[in-house]
Amino acid sequence: IAGITQAPTSQILAAGRRMTLRCTQDMRHNAMYWYRQDLGLGLRLIHYSNTAGTTGKGEVPDGYSVSRANTDDFPLTLASAVPSQTSVYFCASSDSPGSGTDTQYFGPGTRLTVL
Amino acid sequence: GQNIDQPTEMTATEGAIVQINCTYQTSGFNGLFWYQQHAGEAPTFLSYNVLDGLEEKGRFSSFLSRSKGYSYLLLKELQMKDSASYLCAVLSNDYKLSFGAGTTVTVRA
Repeated sequence: IAGITQAPTSQILAAGRRMTLRCTQDMRHNAMYWYRQDLGLGLRLIHYSNTAGTTGKGEVPDGYSVSRANTDDFPLTLASAVPSQTSVYFCASSDSPGSGTDTQYFGPGTRLTVL
Repeated sequence: GQNIDQPTEMTATEGAIVQINCTYQTSGFNGLFWYQQHAGEAPTFLSYNVLDGLEEKGRFSSFLSRSKGYSYLLLKELQMKDSASYLCAVLSNDYKLSFGAGTTVTVRA
C-alpha cells in the first residue's frame, strides 16, 4: 500500500505559468487536504475536501484551486504562479472529517520554486 | 484566528529527556495532535490528546491541560534518530487542524 503519493517531487516554474500538483491516496479516505509549509510559519491549510464532489477554502486559498472528482485524487492548481507561492506543498488525507479522533496522514511533499 | 506557540529550537544529549511545550488559543477545541517531521520528509503522526492528562506511548508521552491551553510532548531516552521537528496542531471548532511553526530538536552524542 503506497498511502499518499504526490507528483512532481520538485519543480522550478517561471512566474505566470500554470501548474498542477497531483495527489493520489489509496486508503479510501473521505477527506483530503492541501497545505503549504514555509520556514517559520508552519503548515497552513490551502484547500480541503471532506468527500468526493465537495471542496472548501482553508486559511490561504488565494491563487489556488482544487477539484475532487473521485475519492482518490485531489489535484491543486496554480493558475498563474507568483514567487510568493514558492513553498513545500503537502497533501494529506483522513478517514473521518468532523470527528475529534480524525488523524491526518501526509504525502511526501512537492517542493515548488517560482522564479 | 488561531495562535499556537512552541519553542523554535531545543538541543539535548543522547539518552536524556526533552520536553517540548505548546500553548494555544484557538476557536474552540476538539483535540491536540503532535507530529514528527524529519528534514525533507512528511509529517508523521505521534500522539493525540482530547482529555486532560498524560498519554504514554513508549518513549514518547503527551500531556494536555485544556483549562490552561497547554500541552507538552516528552521524549525520553533520546536517540540520534529523534533529531527532527515536532509539530503541535490543534483541531478547532470547524474540525480543521491549525499547526504551530514547529520545534527543531537536535540530539547530540
